[in-house]
This record gives sequence, C-alpha cells and structure tokens, in this order.
Amino acid sequence: DAKTTQPNSMESNEEEPVHLPCNHSTISGTDYIHWYRQLPSQGPEYVIHGLTSNVNNRMASLAIAEDRKSSTLILHRATLRDAAVYYCILRDVWETSGSRLTFGEGTQLTVNP
Amino acid sequence: EAQVTQNPRYLITVTGKKLTVTCSQNMNHEYMSWYRQDPGLGLRQIYYSMNVEVTDKGDVPEGYKVSRKEKRNFPLILESPSPNQTSLYFCASSPRGNTEAFFGQGTRLTVV
Repeated sequence: DAKTTQPNSMESNEEEPVHLPCNHSTISGTDYIHWYRQLPSQGPEYVIHGLTSNVNNRMASLAIAEDRKSSTLILHRATLRDAAVYYCILRDVWETSGSRLTFGEGTQLTVNP
Repeated sequence: EAQVTQNPRYLITVTGKKLTVTCSQNMNHEYMSWYRQDPGLGLRQIYYSMNVEVTDKGDVPEGYKVSRKEKRNFPLILESPSPNQTSLYFCASSPRGNTEAFFGQGTRLTVV
C-alpha cells in the first residue's frame, strides 16, 4: 500500500479555517484519497474522498495537488466538535479486501475556544 | 437511521473463556470488516467479508474467527481469548465500490 505522511498534531482556533496536510508521494494512478476522522471515544467517521479534482461536501473540502503527491483537507470554520484525529488514507480503486482501510497515526487536531 | 451496531460496548472476561462480539448493519452493504485499535499501532484489519459466506483474513487474524451467514451480521468470535487481545474493536461496513465506510461505536474488550 502507498504510504501517507501527516503531522502528528495541529492546533486551530474556533471559527477559523483549518488546513490539514497529507503527503503521499508514492500514490498510484488508481489510488483514491480518503479522509476519516475519529472523535474521542467514537469509531472513525468518513469525511471526504477524491481522485484528481478538488471535492466539496457539507463537512469539508479536499484540495488535491496537480501531481497528486499531496492533498489538504480544509475545514472552513472549525468548531470545538471538530477536535479529533484526522486520517488521510489511500485506497486503490481495485481494492478487493472488502472495506479495507489502512490507517496511519493521523493528525490530532486541537480546537481552541 | 443508517448505522452499524456493535454489542457489547464494554466487556471484561477471563483468559480462555469464549466470547462473541456482534455486529449488525442496516444499510444492505456487501462489505464488512473488523478492526482492532491499539495505542501506537493505529487501526488494523482483522477479518473482512465481501458478501454472505465470503470471508478472508486481514492483517492480524490470529486468535479470531468470523462468520457471515446473513448479509447484515458479521460476528467476531474469540474462541480462547488471551490478554494480548485486550483492545478496542470496531466493525465497519460499506457498499461495493470505492465509497465511504461506516463504523460502529466500538467494543472495549479487556481479557484478564
């Protein structure tokens, strides 16, 4: 599996935008970029995913570099509820092992009031 | 409400006493998986199933069994639990294709 690299931790202030980076220099052409987050004492929660183009949904935006070797998850206005560990995951479009997701250590996001 | 339900949420048991953690999803998903989460090791896949009666090993299958007799259920069985299986367990489901996975709330298992 191609590997992702994320900062261990980041801090933000409430109501400010947050940009969470992810490097994936060995990404293959068939890898989708997925983001999940895990709030304290809960299971992981899907945030967003994309292949080449930038993506937006009600939770966040995903900006993908033109060479696809990095991506950024953007939370437009952080709230205290967004404090969580954020995981950037590559998933091959031909993945056959069910809903397999390979989690790294992720980025612990702290949101200050 | 679409959800993945695990039971129990918390369990303390003794070494060698067989146990089953249940997982049920109400979204008619084909794919289901079990993960364990340990400090410093992240989430690791134990077993997965791509449909009824189709299961396969993930990254850390030793000491676990699963079955998929119905599409909605995917129980995790520990025939003879040991202390190194003390962990936080998550069940997940997803439809076929490269889309989002839904996770349960987790089962915290302690084996003494």
